[in-house]
Parts: sequence; C-alpha cells; structure tokens
Amino acid sequence: QQQVKQSPQSLIVQKGGISIINCAYENTAFDYFPWYQQFPGKGPALLIAIRPDVSEKKEGRFTISFNKSAKQFSLHIMDSQPGDSATYFCAARLNSGYSTLTFGKGTMLLVSP
Amino acid sequence: GAVVSQHPSWVICKSGTSVKIECRSLDFQATTMFWYRQFPKQSLMLMATSNEGSKATYEQGVEKDKFLINHASLTLSTLTVTSAHPEDSSFYICSANSPGNYGYTFGSGTRLTVV
Repeated sequence: QQQVKQSPQSLIVQKGGISIINCAYENTAFDYFPWYQQFPGKGPALLIAIRPDVSEKKEGRFTISFNKSAKQFSLHIMDSQPGDSATYFCAARLNSGYSTLTFGKGTMLLVSP
Repeated sequence: GAVVSQHPSWVICKSGTSVKIECRSLDFQATTMFWYRQFPKQSLMLMATSNEGSKATYEQGVEKDKFLINHASLTLSTLTVTSAHPEDSSFYICSANSPGNYGYTFGSGTRLTVV
C-alpha cells in the first residue's frame, strides 16, 4: 500500500517531442504528489507537485495530470530538450505533516538532439 | 526559496574511520529532516527521519549505531557513518521540510567512497 509504481524505467524522446512518465499508487491516504528531477551526482530538485483535489497542473513545459479515481498521475514534458535529460522520480506523501515521501523507482529520460 | 546545503559533496575515507555529513537549512527552520541513501541507477531509500531535539527514527534494516543522526538545532542535522566499510560507499542525500510547507527540499548529496 505504500508503493508508488513508476513507468517506464527509461525513455528516449526526440528533441521537441513530448515525454510522458506515469505513476500509480494504491494508498488513498496520499495527499501530495511531487515530481523530482535529478541529474547525475546531484540531489533531486522539485519540478512540480499536485494535490488530489486538482486534476491538472501546468508549469511552463511541465504538466501533471492526476486521475484520482484511477489512482494514477503522470508527468508530461512538452517540447522536450536535451537539457531535460535526467532521471525523474514521482513521489507521494501520506496526509501527515511530517510524513516522508514514498518514491517511484525513477525514469531515465534521454532527449536526443 | 528554501535552500538546503549539504557538505561535503564528496568524501573518501579509509575503512574503519568515521565520516560526518552535514545538512543545513539556510533560509528556513527545518523541524524534520530526512536522510536517504541512493545506489547507482536506483531510487532514494529512506534511512531515517530526524526531528529537532529528539531521537531519530530509523527505517527497518538501518543500523542506528552505524549511522548516527543528530538534529540539534532547527537548521542543522548531521549523519555520521561510524566505522565505515566499503559497502557503506554510496550517495547520501538529506531533505528537509517545515510545518505548513509542502515542499521537501533536498541537499545536493554526498558521495562517500570508503577504501
């Protein structure tokens, strides 16, 4: 129930294309769903996050789509750029102020020039 | 925005020695900090949760006597790897949040190599 399942494990997208990464969860007590971007040798950096009372959130080229009934959420990267090549992690947090995040296993994205 | 500073960014130590990693919240007070370990091409694995002024809560399978965590102030948490061995070599990352803040800010990580 604590798991967050992320797919695909790796993804290759051409420059200008749309990158889509999906995550699914079981525990309906999760109340916060962030996406993190991590470059090699660096800590994760928050990209965008959503709460379950919203179905979509867009920030620049990054969009989270959230389907509460299906318990799924996804990250869409529009107009993907080589600089977007990184590992992306979805995560979820239980509805407790001091709760830790449960991470997906990550998706290695490569945007080809 | 919230900034978490982690030092050192990399460290090499000999087997049997101890290494201390610092995690500081620079512009906010972090009542709770988290320590993660990450192996190459894998996800973050939570090691422990530390709350300011109290003992850390360790995840199952994490040796608390080996990975000493101290959260003595609202802006500083430290992780000490005691009697390090090559199998402790990994990427260690801290994270911090504060009440009312949904954002979990991560440090830049520490690459530990034990030789």
